[in-house]
Amino acid sequence: GIQVEQSPPDLILQEGANSTLRCNFSDSVNNLQWFHQNPWGQLINLFYIPSGTKQNGRLSATTVATERYSLLYISSSQTTDSGVYFCAVGPGNQFYFGTGTSLTVIP
Amino acid sequence: DAGVIQSPRHEVTEMGQEVTLRCKPISGHNSLFWYRQTMMRGLELLIYFNNNVPIDDSGMPEDRFSAKMPNASFSTLKIQPSEPRDSAVYFCASSLGQGNRNQPQHFGDGTRLSIL
Repeated sequence: GIQVEQSPPDLILQEGANSTLRCNFSDSVNNLQWFHQNPWGQLINLFYIPSGTKQNGRLSATTVATERYSLLYISSSQTTDSGVYFCAVGPGNQFYFGTGTSLTVIP
Repeated sequence: DAGVIQSPRHEVTEMGQEVTLRCKPISGHNSLFWYRQTMMRGLELLIYFNNNVPIDDSGMPEDRFSAKMPNASFSTLKIQPSEPRDSAVYFCASSLGQGNRNQPQHFGDGTRLSIL
């Protein structure tokens, strides 16, 4: 299957700071999603972004499919942003998940 | 709109018992996925269905696991007999798509399974 690497594995931010999370993948994909797993374990869909750039409020994402990476930007972080961020990719409907970036935002 | 609905939310049972997890996908979605999340292995796809037909079950760990989708609005994942190493959070997800068509997956809240 496709290898998915996320970096950094852990991140601690002061509230209000910005951050960039990275997802590298080993093969061509047609599907890519970013998820936030909150402290209650729910997987929240952030972006469906197999290519290009999208923005939603303080979050934005960019995928450069030809170079096999995606970036998730979090600006003006808030404590509610804490949790684990997963990148999931797939050539088709089968998703391969990265190991996630664990984000802690401290007040 | 109702999202993906999973039941039960939590299940605690003894080793050797049969466990059945249930999932109702989003209405109109034609693809359904079962995932398992553990600390050791992270999130891994177990099986997925398209139009109620199992397409890929290569992620099912062993014969003790089985999944069915008798109709477009219901799927089950069954473990018989259960073992302590099956303890995990099991997620169901659905999407509208076919083949490689690009469609996002929507996840349920998961079932936290503990086998004693």
